[in-house]
Amino acid sequence: QKEVEQNSGPLSVPEGAIASLNCTYSDRGSQSFFWYRQYSGKSPELIMFIYSNGDKEDGRFTAQLNKASQYVSLLIRDSQPSDSATYLCAVSLYFTSGTYKYIFGTGTRLKVLA
Amino acid sequence: DGGITQSPKYLFRKEGQNVTLSCEQNLNHDAMYWYRQDPGQGLRLIYYSQIVNDFQKGDIAEGYSVSREKKESFPLTVTSAQKNPTAFYLCASSMAQYNEQFFGPGTRLTVL
Repeated sequence: QKEVEQNSGPLSVPEGAIASLNCTYSDRGSQSFFWYRQYSGKSPELIMFIYSNGDKEDGRFTAQLNKASQYVSLLIRDSQPSDSATYLCAVSLYFTSGTYKYIFGTGTRLKVLA
Repeated sequence: DGGITQSPKYLFRKEGQNVTLSCEQNLNHDAMYWYRQDPGQGLRLIYYSQIVNDFQKGDIAEGYSVSREKKESFPLTVTSAQKNPTAFYLCASSMAQYNEQFFGPGTRLTVL
C-alpha cells in the first residue's frame, strides 16, 4: 500500500460547483497534512495545511482532517476554470528517532469546465 | 522579497557530462530539499539537508550529489552515472523538517 494515495483523476466539475479532492494515508504516525496546487509546467505552491482533526477554512478552500479514518480532503467552493490544476497532498510523518519524513501523493488532476 | 530561486530554468546536457543545478533561498530556512518529477508523475526525493554541512540521501540519490556549505544554498550535481536524468528538478525549503515546504520555480533538464 502506498503511504499517501490520491485518485489521479481527472476530476471534472462545472464552474461554480464544489470540487472535493481526497487523500488517504497509511501511517498513523502522520502529524501534519498539506495541500499544494501545481499548474502544468510549474512548481507546486502551498494552498494550506492542517494539523488537527476537523475543518480549516481559508477563502474558497476548506481542508478536512479525520485521523481516525486516515484521510484528509480539500474542498474548493465556487470552482473557477483557473482552479484547473493538479492538487498534491503531502503528509509529514514523525519517527521515534526524532526524524521526520515528508511524503507526497501523486496528485489529482482537477478540470473546471466553463 | 523572500523566496527560492533556481537556475537555470532550462538546461541541456550531452551524455557523459556532469551538470550542476543551482538553488538559493533567502527565507532563512534550515531545511532544503531536491525533488525530481517525471511527466505525469509525483515528486521523488533525491537529497535533503536539515542543517549546514549535513545532508541525507532520499529515495533516488544514485547518480546525484549535493553540498550544503551555506544555509542559503543547496546545489545539486547530476552526474554521468545518472542513467535517465531528463526530468523537471524542484528545490524546496522549510523552517524545519516537519514544516510546510516552499518550492522554487524548477529546472527542466534535457539530455541530448
